[in-house]
Amino acid sequence: GAVVSQHPSWVICKSGTSVKIECRSLDFQATTMFWYRQFPKQSLMLMATSNEGSKATYEQGVEKDKFLINHASLTLSTLTVTSAHPEDSSFYICSARGDRTTLFYEQYFGPGTRLTVT
Amino acid sequence: LAKTTQPISMDSYEGQEVNITCSHNNIATNDYITWYQQFPSQGPRFIIQGYKTKVTNEVASLFIPADRKSSTLSLPRVSLSDTAVYYCLVGLSGAGSYQLTFGKGTKLSVIP
Repeated sequence: GAVVSQHPSWVICKSGTSVKIECRSLDFQATTMFWYRQFPKQSLMLMATSNEGSKATYEQGVEKDKFLINHASLTLSTLTVTSAHPEDSSFYICSARGDRTTLFYEQYFGPGTRLTVT
Repeated sequence: LAKTTQPISMDSYEGQEVNITCSHNNIATNDYITWYQQFPSQGPRFIIQGYKTKVTNEVASLFIPADRKSSTLSLPRVSLSDTAVYYCLVGLSGAGSYQLTFGKGTKLSVIP
């Protein structure tokens, strides 16, 4: 099946610093990648959708200048949390979707990245 | 946009069949319904996907009525390892907008 990886799996950073999280599709080309945030005991909340080579589309209430998304290739998307604060501590999960002829309607999820801001 | 609705939790004994229903009144016309399983501190794992009627794979069945306003995930003969949170994912549309939406999840606890 389709495999999506994330790096790092967990990260601790100081308040005010920036953190980059990578999401890679390992065995398929991901035309679309999604970034989610999940707080403890809550559901996944979609933050943004990115298509390769174009700007990400952010959900309402998500600050695009704070959560920078880059989808420069068909196998890599990055999420940068800028000037992180303790309230940004969460579980960040990416997912990837292929083109219409293969995996269009299925999202394959990465293992998630646990971010803790101190 | 209206949200999806799932039961918050369910308990089941090992070996029983479990049915989890998700309501999604505003499902977008062309959208599929997908169910995921999630263990603590892990990303969701794809279980099954369907558009209408019934879909079956090696781990589950998915029942979707003709109006597609709900769907039911059926897990046959659950085991302890099926203890997890189960989410439905659909695209919801309304008032000219569209949103991919996860349900709040159903925490399934399988009892020995």
